[in-house]
Amino acid sequence: AQSVAQPEDQVNVAEGNPLTVKCTYSVSGNPYLFWYVQYPNRGLQFLLKYITGDNLVKGSYGFEAEFNKSQTSFHLKKPSALVSDSALYFCAVRGSDNFNKFYFGSGTKLNVKP
Amino acid sequence: DTGVSQNPRHKITKRGQNVTFRCDPISEHNRLYWYRQTLGQGPEFLTYFQNEAQLEKSRLLSDRFSAERPKGSFSTLEIQRTEQGDSAMYLCASSLGGTGRVGANVLTFGAGSRLTVL
Repeated sequence: AQSVAQPEDQVNVAEGNPLTVKCTYSVSGNPYLFWYVQYPNRGLQFLLKYITGDNLVKGSYGFEAEFNKSQTSFHLKKPSALVSDSALYFCAVRGSDNFNKFYFGSGTKLNVKP
Repeated sequence: DTGVSQNPRHKITKRGQNVTFRCDPISEHNRLYWYRQTLGQGPEFLTYFQNEAQLEKSRLLSDRFSAERPKGSFSTLEIQRTEQGDSAMYLCASSLGGTGRVGANVLTFGAGSRLTVL
């Protein structure tokens, strides 16, 4: 079985401060991991993915994520948050039972305050 | 190509009625997915297609749900005899298949079709 956990329903951060949105995963074999963002009344948008290679993955809008195999984590980070980053963030993992399926976490609401 | 398009964006129906949602994927994407999202939850997998073939259906998809993708282009998701528990956002996504191709495994989502069953 495979799953993704996002332990925080909500993260609050002040504009200009660094942000971290946490994600842990459970999957057999080498994980394919993803982050998506959802703005109100919009579909989910791809931010970045980890398949292999460097543990630090850079993505869209200045976001990056750090893959940690020993801790089975894939935390999303940004050095300096913007108010416009306020949105719902989802971590996802590709299935090990079926490589064509993707499993999503429950989401973390990021609030960036001016 | 303007991305993944879903229609209608909102549907309000009475319990027991049938509803149908349409998804137009990115034209060169051979994989198409349907997910369901309820408030406070992440998307839950319902089914997916490789071209016109429906390759897997979730146990969440009861017999009242049916999805088609004729000719491997657009897809429809029909819910028969709707129940209040069917109220949710129905998301469609498409992607390229394969592993070595740029963009493979990355889902492009539509804005969703919100269903409210009264």
